[in-house]
Amino acid sequence: QSVLTQPPSVSAAPGQKVTISCSGSSSNIGNNYVSWYQQLPGTAPKLLIYENNKRPSGIPDRFSGSRSGTSATLGITGLQTGDEANYYCGTWDSSLSAVVFGGGTTLTVL
Amino acid sequence: VQLLESGGGLVQPGGSLRLSCAASGFTFSSYAMTWVRQAPGKGLEWVSSITGSGGSTYYADSVKGRFTISRDNSKNTLYLQMSSLRGEDTAAYYCAKTRGYVVHGMDVWGQGTTVTVSS
Repeated sequence: QSVLTQPPSVSAAPGQKVTISCSGSSSNIGNNYVSWYQQLPGTAPKLLIYENNKRPSGIPDRFSGSRSGTSATLGITGLQTGDEANYYCGTWDSSLSAVVFGGGTTLTVL
Repeated sequence: VQLLESGGGLVQPGGSLRLSCAASGFTFSSYAMTWVRQAPGKGLEWVSSITGSGGSTYYADSVKGRFTISRDNSKNTLYLQMSSLRGEDTAAYYCAKTRGYVVHGMDVWGQGTTVTVSS
């Protein structure tokens, strides 16, 4: 049981937009920065979004992040088949003194 | 910026193993570091983090008392000493660099090293 809650799977057609939600509490998302990670099959995770809504260099602006209260959202526009991956949200939990992750969301581009 | 893990392998239940993560391309001592693991077919699980100086460490409840994180800033190397290993510790172990402090998330990840705990 993950501290952060994500939908197990989402899907959309190529070129469309999809959002992935991440729900937490005041001890984690509500008061700490959220990061999003993409894990392509058979590879290590990769940082997509940091500090709720910032993109590292090299990450296309098709990827966006937002936070509202105790929830965060990852948005992906102009979906490509290469975006098929598992996506994880993560943050610090001040009560647990621990890094916490969501259970992961599998994106399928139909 | 590169992270290269090593030390994984097959170990019997109750055994010990030490993972290493060699860092290059950045000022190692300036960044907190983290170990994250992923059991086969499962999601990411945070294991442990350590501040840049090594003065503070943090552990997941699942490994507290059995695993020890440490670093040698003179060698740009992060370690994870694992003891009393259990079957549920079987996973790919990733070393990750934070963006500064532990609370800032991980911006660079190694390729992972696999630990298998089995008799």
